Amino acid sequence: AQSVAQPEDQVNVAEGNPLTVKCTYSVSGNPYLFWYVQYPNRGLQFLLKYITGDNLVKGSYGFEAEFNKSQTSFHLKKPSALVSDSALYFCAVRDMGANDYKLSFGAGTTVTVRA
Amino acid sequence: GAVVSQHPSWVICKSGTSVKIECRSLDFQATTMFWYRQFPKQSLMLMATSNEGSKATYEQGVEKDKFLINHASLTLSTLTVTSAHPEDSSFYICSARDQGAPYGYTFGSGTRLTVV
Repeated sequence: AQSVAQPEDQVNVAEGNPLTVKCTYSVSGNPYLFWYVQYPNRGLQFLLKYITGDNLVKGSYGFEAEFNKSQTSFHLKKPSALVSDSALYFCAVRDMGANDYKLSFGAGTTVTVRA
Repeated sequence: GAVVSQHPSWVICKSGTSVKIECRSLDFQATTMFWYRQFPKQSLMLMATSNEGSKATYEQGVEKDKFLINHASLTLSTLTVTSAHPEDSSFYICSARDQGAPYGYTFGSGTRLTVV
């Protein structure tokens, strides 16, 4: 079984401040982890993924995430947030050992960056 | 990069009619496509997994006779909502697994279905 938890429904930050969106996961084996962003009435845009290798993953638009196996976390970070980063963010996981390729999504975190 | 085209982006239909949503992978072959349903400000709920040339696999609680999925080619999957009712109004999103990038998934832009 696989699941994702995003403990915060909303995150509010001022433009220029650091942004962190939290994600913890649960899988039977090793995880593939993803972050996506969704703007209103749009599909999901890929930000970054962790498959293997370096625990710090750098992605699109200045975002990065750190894989922490001991804490089963994959928090999304951006050093300096922009107003345009305001959107809905989803963390997703897939069990590396599963052969159905299904992704499990967290509930989503709404990020609001105020000018 | 990989692109998935989903059409239409929005549709309004009358109760009792059927609506077809198309999902095309434009520059890669997708043996596996996924269909999701999303309620306002909620997460994506996986409805079914479609594999090219075979029957779709539906998640528990999803009516396969109401939500018909066809994956006739490596670049096209369709979702038909049959005898639509207002409770079927939702945002539907498709996703394709990119064979060329084993860990890559590309999402369509979504379809807003409103049944009146």
